[in-house]
Amino acid sequence: QVQLQESGPGLVKPSQTLSLTCTVSGGSISSGSYYWSWIRQPAGKGLEWIGRIYTSGSTNYNPSLKSRVTISVDTSKNQFSLKLSSVTAADTAVYYCARDQRALDPYGDYRGYYFDYWGQGTLVTVSS
Amino acid sequence: SYELTQPPSVSVSPGQTARITCSGDALPKQYAYWYQQKPGQAPVLVIYKDSERPSGIPERFSGSSSGTTVTLTISGVQAEDEADYYCQSADSSGTHVVFGGGTKLTVL
Repeated sequence: QVQLQESGPGLVKPSQTLSLTCTVSGGSISSGSYYWSWIRQPAGKGLEWIGRIYTSGSTNYNPSLKSRVTISVDTSKNQFSLKLSSVTAADTAVYYCARDQRALDPYGDYRGYYFDYWGQGTLVTVSS
Repeated sequence: SYELTQPPSVSVSPGQTARITCSGDALPKQYAYWYQQKPGQAPVLVIYKDSERPSGIPERFSGSSSGTTVTLTISGVQAEDEADYYCQSADSSGTHVVFGGGTKLTVL
């Protein structure tokens, strides 16, 4: 059973960089054709996808956050990480890491991605 | 930017059928997925590829697709089904993930 666990500071000052790590257990982060994503959720609001990484290092980011986001992977530690720069109060949220699968249809075409395993989430507050 | 539209709330009595819709222009091209989220918990995948049910998800959860609208149906709703439900898909490129705004299901 794959498990994911987020870790990192719970409080970040405005204009600084938010840094989180997701540790994957129960399987190798490099095995299978899986991607690894970050998703966030402000209190009382909906989910927002931040971006994903493949173990090759290739990344996709939410266009609305792309200029501030960097996702990296360390296969030796079975971890992937998120950095979000120049944070403001609007970045206060619960941050989730998740395993990301590409969906293949019966005709061999890919039709999006979905998240089958999630971490428990970690609250990050941006405040001075 | 691409959006998925869900009703903010749906209410049903126990034993009835709940239907939650999600609309988006790219849904004919991209699969839809549904997540259940209870307070203080991470989302759980309940439907993938429009209508497939992951192992461990009760049979009362089903999904369907018609044009630009997908629907999550919960038959014989139970009190434990009270939660927020999010649809998720991708933009027309298939690369960028989009979530609907979420629907709060209330079991009366």
